[in-house]
Amino acid sequence: QVQLVQSGPEMKKPGASVMVSCKASGYTFNNYGITWVRQAPGQGLEWMGWISPHTGKTNFAQRFQGRVVMTTETSSTTAFMELRGLRPNDTAVYYCARDEDGYKSEIDHWGQGSLISVSS
Amino acid sequence: QSVLTQPPSVSGTPGQTLTISCSGAVSNIDSHYVLWYQQFPGTAPKLLIYKNFQRPSGVPDRFSGSKSGPSASLIISGLRSEDEADYYCATWDDTLGGRVFGGGTKLTVV
Repeated sequence: QVQLVQSGPEMKKPGASVMVSCKASGYTFNNYGITWVRQAPGQGLEWMGWISPHTGKTNFAQRFQGRVVMTTETSSTTAFMELRGLRPNDTAVYYCARDEDGYKSEIDHWGQGSLISVSS
Repeated sequence: QSVLTQPPSVSGTPGQTLTISCSGAVSNIDSHYVLWYQQFPGTAPKLLIYKNFQRPSGVPDRFSGSKSGPSASLIISGLRSEDEADYYCATWDDTLGGRVFGGGTKLTVV
């Protein structure tokens, strides 16, 4: 079965960077993109961006341009999302999810989420 | 402010049919497929509806979706207490060049 298993919770200081990993299994990794979505405490879902493991093509939400890096490692079927210049309002649960084309396909399977806390 | 507008909360009684709306624009809902998600506290969202009205396997047929112009709806019939959750719509937005989510709707079954 399709599974996405994310890295654990982290606490960071403002200005630091964080990298969240997302290990995929149960499907052909290169055939589906990975979308990243975050959810601040008590808030709604916010799309951050998408990456294709096959081509390396990325598409980021405007508000994260220049601050987010998304990569994949085909050998380990793992996707990574690095967010730089952390601020307290980046405190959120970060989700990875399978998303075939990042455009018209459904975002169907989700990781369990990774809580990233930013505080001085 | 979300590009897609949902009511913050709705409530219903067991057995009732309830509709959650998602209002957008020509650049998003009117031009692209709509997705609907169900989320329980502390858990990841679950796909309920894709391509406006399609249900993934395992999703009860009590859940249905519709779309008309720049608006979409999630319809839940035969409401049950276990349907209490947050519901989100999502689609692509041409102006933003990315995916967008509605602000979410908290469903309470009284």
